[in-house]
Amino acid sequence: GDSVTQMEGPVTLSEEAFLTINCTYTATGYPSLFWYVQYPGEGLQLLLKATKADDKGSNKGFEATYRKETTSFHLEKGSVQVSDSAVYFCALSSGGGADGLTFGKGTHLIIQP
Amino acid sequence: DAGITQSPRYKITETGRQVTLMCHQTWSHSYMFWYRQDLGHGLRLIYYSAAADITDKGEVPDGYVVSRSKTENFPLTLESATRSQTSVYFCASSGARKGEKLFFGSGTQLSVL
Repeated sequence: GDSVTQMEGPVTLSEEAFLTINCTYTATGYPSLFWYVQYPGEGLQLLLKATKADDKGSNKGFEATYRKETTSFHLEKGSVQVSDSAVYFCALSSGGGADGLTFGKGTHLIIQP
Repeated sequence: DAGITQSPRYKITETGRQVTLMCHQTWSHSYMFWYRQDLGHGLRLIYYSAAADITDKGEVPDGYVVSRSKTENFPLTLESATRSQTSVYFCASSGARKGEKLFFGSGTQLSVL
């Protein structure tokens, strides 16, 4: 079945550092890939997505590129801020809405001033 | 207000009691989902629904019951709560097209004593 593997953390960085959170997946066919972010006490919200190979999703300074050859969708940001502290989830969808999303276990990111 | 709302926000109950978590969305989305979030497991799908009166099991359905008599509501019932069901529960909704994002509620934190 489908699965998503991501580093769990916590990942602790200083403000303005470069961020990479690795995500790899296993799926049949051509899944859509997502990064969701969860701030403390809140539900998940979509950060970015990519629906086909070589697509780059971007939002709020975050980027991730859909790499089919390495089955990866790593999240990057050039300069993190304290406000980026949150839990980040990589996810995939193999089909339509019926499949929902398969999530990784989440990466807790802590940014220190 | 538009969006997806869950109630209650917090719930404490005792082993063996029946508990119902409510979920309401105003977008007329076809699909609705229930996930539970636990440390070390990320989010796991409990049940989902493709439309009114259509529901199906997810990854961890045992001990839960759902119904969907109206498109906008998708309640989740724990028929006889157990301590292992202590978790944070998230409801989500989406459209039916491939690659559509999920919209999440703010969650219900359930403690079973």
